[in-house]
Amino acid sequence: QVQLQESGPGLVKPSQTLSLTCTVSGGSISSGGYYWSWIRQHPGKGLEWIGYIYYSGSTYYNPSLKSRVTISVDTSKNQFSLKLSSVTAADTAVYYCARGGYSYGPNPYFDYWGQGTLVTVSS
Amino acid sequence: QSALTQPASVSGSPGQSITISCTGTSSDVGSYNLVSWYQQHPGKAPKLMIYEVSKRPSGVSNRFSGSKSGNTASLTISGLQAEDEADYYCCSYAGSSSNWVFGGGTKLTVL
Repeated sequence: QVQLQESGPGLVKPSQTLSLTCTVSGGSISSGGYYWSWIRQHPGKGLEWIGYIYYSGSTYYNPSLKSRVTISVDTSKNQFSLKLSSVTAADTAVYYCARGGYSYGPNPYFDYWGQGTLVTVSS
Repeated sequence: QSALTQPASVSGSPGQSITISCTGTSSDVGSYNLVSWYQQHPGKAPKLMIYEVSKRPSGVSNRFSGSKSGNTASLTISGLQAEDEADYYCCSYAGSSSNWVFGGGTKLTVL
């Protein structure tokens, strides 16, 4: 059973960079042809896809966030990470990592999710 | 404002059936059979309930079914149970320009 777990600071100051890591267990991040995504949920609101990465390092980002987002992968640690720069209060949200997200991949949907981590942007 | 439109709330009594709609456009729901549905209980992560319009993951009750007509996808839950009370989100592929778009969510209340 694949499990994902987010980790990182729960509080980030405005204009700084939000950094989160997702650790994958129960399977290799490099196998199966799977892509790995970040998704966020603003308090009391719906879901927003941020972007995905393949174990090779290939990425694709939501155009609305593309200028501020970087997703990277560390296959030796079975982890992938999110960096979101120049954050504002509007970036306050629960951030989830999930498996899936490539429309031509084995799972063009999100089948495994982390528990989510709340990141608050405030001075 | 979410890209896909869902009713804010629906309700039903135990044993009844309900349907949640998810309306998009010809650029997303109408163009791809890549609609998925997620159930989210308070404080929990979303759970995949339906993928590729009408397929059920292993372990998901057959009381959950999905369909699509034109630009609108639907999730039907039959034989409502108290544990079905949750928020439900639809998601659709929207092409390489936007990739994935979600609905605003529907709160299901089991009366």
